[in-house]
Amino acid sequence: AQSVTQPDIHITVSEGASLELRCNYSYGATPYLFWYVQSPGQGLQLLLKYFSGDTLVQGIKGFEAEFKRSQSSFNLRKPSVHWSDAAEYFCAVGASNTDKLIFGTGTRLQVFP
Amino acid sequence: EPEVTQTPSHQVTQMGQEVILRCVPISNHLYFYWYRQILGQKVEFLVSFYNNEISEKSEIFDDQFSVERPDGSNFTLKIRSTKLEDSAMYFCASGNTGVGYFGPGTRLTVT
Repeated sequence: AQSVTQPDIHITVSEGASLELRCNYSYGATPYLFWYVQSPGQGLQLLLKYFSGDTLVQGIKGFEAEFKRSQSSFNLRKPSVHWSDAAEYFCAVGASNTDKLIFGTGTRLQVFP
Repeated sequence: EPEVTQTPSHQVTQMGQEVILRCVPISNHLYFYWYRQILGQKVEFLVSFYNNEISEKSEIFDDQFSVERPDGSNFTLKIRSTKLEDSAMYFCASGNTGVGYFGPGTRLTVT
């Protein structure tokens, strides 16, 4: 069955520190992978997506993610976190670029000054 | 930048009542979706809609739920007889080349 695992429920980092949010997926075919961010009381904003090609994808707000097929992972990274990055981050997987998405449980990021 | 809009932002209803949640997808998008997020839980797929028909639905989307695109711009989710467990944030989404655009959500509270 398709599934997404985000092993870290809550992460706290200092402003300016680097960040890596983990995402592992279980999927039978080549997955379409997404990262979304949700600020409190807001909807889901797409940060980046991977369909094919270069396994390192760049997104908005300085985020990037790397697809590693051998590890079934799609971790999200940012070299220097800003206080405004505090939010909930969701990894998601789909069978195609128009298929339904299976979401992970999310990682809540807290940023200290 | 175009965006998906949803109304109302918060809906309170009594158990057994019908509710209609409204969404205006981005105008040139062809694929439409409803998801929900129960407080503290993951976002769950409900239904996808393409070419004026449901293309896929989850086991959550039972006979109490229906969707409609009544006028070519709105996309609605109707819950015929609400239950307490329907309390959640409901997100509409639209896209052409991927589910890239989510609305801000409607918080449904069933009392």
